[in-house]
Amino acid sequence: GAGVSQSPSNKVTEKGKDVELRCDPISGHTALYWYRQSLGQGLEFLIYFQGNSAPDKSGLPSDRFSAERTGGSVSTLTIQRTQQEDSAVYLCASSSGSRGGYTFGSGTRLTVV
Amino acid sequence: AQSVTQPDIHITVSEGASLELRCNYSYGATPYLFWYVQSPGQGLQLLLKYFSGDTLVQGIKGFEAEFKRSQSSFNLRKPSVHWSDAAEYFCAVGRDSGYALNFGKGTSLLVTP
Repeated sequence: GAGVSQSPSNKVTEKGKDVELRCDPISGHTALYWYRQSLGQGLEFLIYFQGNSAPDKSGLPSDRFSAERTGGSVSTLTIQRTQQEDSAVYLCASSSGSRGGYTFGSGTRLTVV
Repeated sequence: AQSVTQPDIHITVSEGASLELRCNYSYGATPYLFWYVQSPGQGLQLLLKYFSGDTLVQGIKGFEAEFKRSQSSFNLRKPSVHWSDAAEYFCAVGRDSGYALNFGKGTSLLVTP
C-alpha cells in the first residue's frame, strides 16, 4: 500500500483479555518495527523484524507480549492478559533498509479498563 | 549504548519567530540521526535525516538541522514558525537504517499568535 496501515485505530479492552494489533507495512519494505508510546513518554522500542532473520525481541516488556510477521509482510502484535499499564499508543513502522528513513503508521490506541 | 536527550519538554514561540529544538545524543561511532514530527492523533512524520556528508541538513516544511560532532548535538531549526508547526517533535538516533531507533522523549511546541 501507499503507507503503513494499522488496525484497529482504537481498542478498548477489559483487564485480563488478550488483544491483537495489526500492521500492514509498505509493500516491499523488508524491515518492520513496533514501538509503544505512553502518555508523556517518548517511543519505546518493542520488536524489530528484518527479512527472514530472527526478530529482535529485546524491547518486549514481558512475556505477555509477542509478535509475528507472516510472509515477510503483515505483522501482528499480541498482548495476553492485558494490564492497565499496557494502555498506550502502539506504533508500527517499516523501512526498505536503505537510507530512506522509517515510515510510521497512525498507531493503535489501546485502552485497558 | 546509544541514547538521545531532548532537554526541553515544552517550548512556546510566537508565530513568525525563529525556532531551535535541542537534541543531544550519546553514541560511540558516527550516528544516524533523525527528526520526526507528530501532530495530535497522528503517526510520526520524518522531517529530515543525517547519515554523512554535509553537516547542515535540509528537510521538509522549511526545517533544517545541523550535526555537530564536537557537541554531540543535532539541533532542529526553523527561521520563521507557522501556527501549523505546533506539534510534538522527536529526535532519534540509530546505528544504521536497518536497526531500531532510540527516540528522545520529545519536545512539545506551542505556537502563539
